[in-house]
Amino acid sequence: GENVEQHPSTLSVQEGDSAVIKCTYSDSASNYFPWYKQELGKRPQLIIDIRSNVGEKKDQRIAVTLNKTAKHFSLHITETQPEDSAVYFCAASGGGFKTIFGAGTRLFVKA
Amino acid sequence: SAVISQKPSRDICQRGTSLTIQCQVDSQVTMMFWYRQQPGQSLTLIATANQGSEATYESGFVIDKFPISRPNLTFSTLTVSNMSPEDSSIYLCSVVQGGGETQYFGPGTRLLVL
Repeated sequence: GENVEQHPSTLSVQEGDSAVIKCTYSDSASNYFPWYKQELGKRPQLIIDIRSNVGEKKDQRIAVTLNKTAKHFSLHITETQPEDSAVYFCAASGGGFKTIFGAGTRLFVKA
Repeated sequence: SAVISQKPSRDICQRGTSLTIQCQVDSQVTMMFWYRQQPGQSLTLIATANQGSEATYESGFVIDKFPISRPNLTFSTLTVSNMSPEDSSIYLCSVVQGGGETQYFGPGTRLLVL
């Protein structure tokens, strides 16, 4: 069945450094790839998304890249800050709105 | 994006009982979903709540255990039936608006079964 793999499961960086989270998906019909940030005790919040007709998208310190051929997509956070500490989920969806989530990456940003 | 609320926000229940969780949206939405998130885990889709018809359940989830209603385009309920401690989890509803693809999540219901 459809699957989304996410790595690493835990990531610790120094404040100001960059963080990269990588995901792979199995369903070639997937065409929409959102990223969610979930702070402790809070709901998942959309931070950025990318569609299959685009290779890269950037929003301030956050960027996402997509390689459809390899079925890879990645989240890049530059100049990390302590408030970036959270769990990040990648996801993939195709027609029918069914969304498959990755296992999550717990990001720690050390001040 | 839509404003989504859930009731209750949390509850402690005895095994063998049932709990109904409500999800209310402040505008009509195309799709509504129910997820379970166990502690430290990812989001697992339970079912798609279909307006005016039976919900569509994912593998491993059945209607007798998780009956779902969606009487209109702004409201849905999920019941967790005959609860056991293994049902302790966070239950979240999510919605998709209009012709979009993005899911927006409710605040979640934290359930503890003793």
